[in-house]
Amino acid sequence: DAGITQSPRYKITETGRQVTLMCHQTWSHSYMFWYRQDLGHGLRLIYYSAAADITDKGEVPDGYVVSRSKTENFPLTLESATRSQTSVYFCASSVQGVESPLHFGNGTRLTVT
Amino acid sequence: SQQGEEDPQALSIQEGENATMNCSYKTSINNLQWYRQNSGRGLVHLILIRSNEREKHSGRLRVTLDTSKKSSSLLITASRAADTASYFCATDESGGGADGLTFGKGTHLIIQP
Repeated sequence: DAGITQSPRYKITETGRQVTLMCHQTWSHSYMFWYRQDLGHGLRLIYYSAAADITDKGEVPDGYVVSRSKTENFPLTLESATRSQTSVYFCASSVQGVESPLHFGNGTRLTVT
Repeated sequence: SQQGEEDPQALSIQEGENATMNCSYKTSINNLQWYRQNSGRGLVHLILIRSNEREKHSGRLRVTLDTSKKSSSLLITASRAADTASYFCATDESGGGADGLTFGKGTHLIIQP
């Protein structure tokens, strides 16, 4: 079934550990995005990618690393997790960036203890 | 930084009534999009309206855009229990640096059966 899938669905990790959140889409959309959703802040853009091997920072990129070696995958890595990175993370894809609808995954709920 | 701000933050109505949510934004935009989010799920795209459009319809949804007032509204007619969700507006800023949508904090809509 085509779509965008995120894994894991839930993750608990300790402060200082590295953790990677996975995102996979089957539409071959050029654009992919990572957002975090926090109470009181809504959704904030972390990183985005316009194509394979092209990534750029969003509003809140500090502490995060992304890569896009293949069009369909866009993993997000927290190099050294902090409690402030406890959040729900959403991956999204689109055909024409923000000129077309974004298709979201169901999110990863990350807790950093 | 938050571009769109939804109003009200929460809305509770009876099934069958119409629900209206408003969104205000600060800078010039290329387009404005509305999304729905059910509890524990990702965002689902509802409607995209471009800056040169004033109104769009999709089923029971009607979106208006007033660029002179930098505001948009989402009307859901004949509401159903299944419409219970959070609704977000998102803007594509003209000349924006990051190529990502900027989301508001959302309106939480509850439809009472």
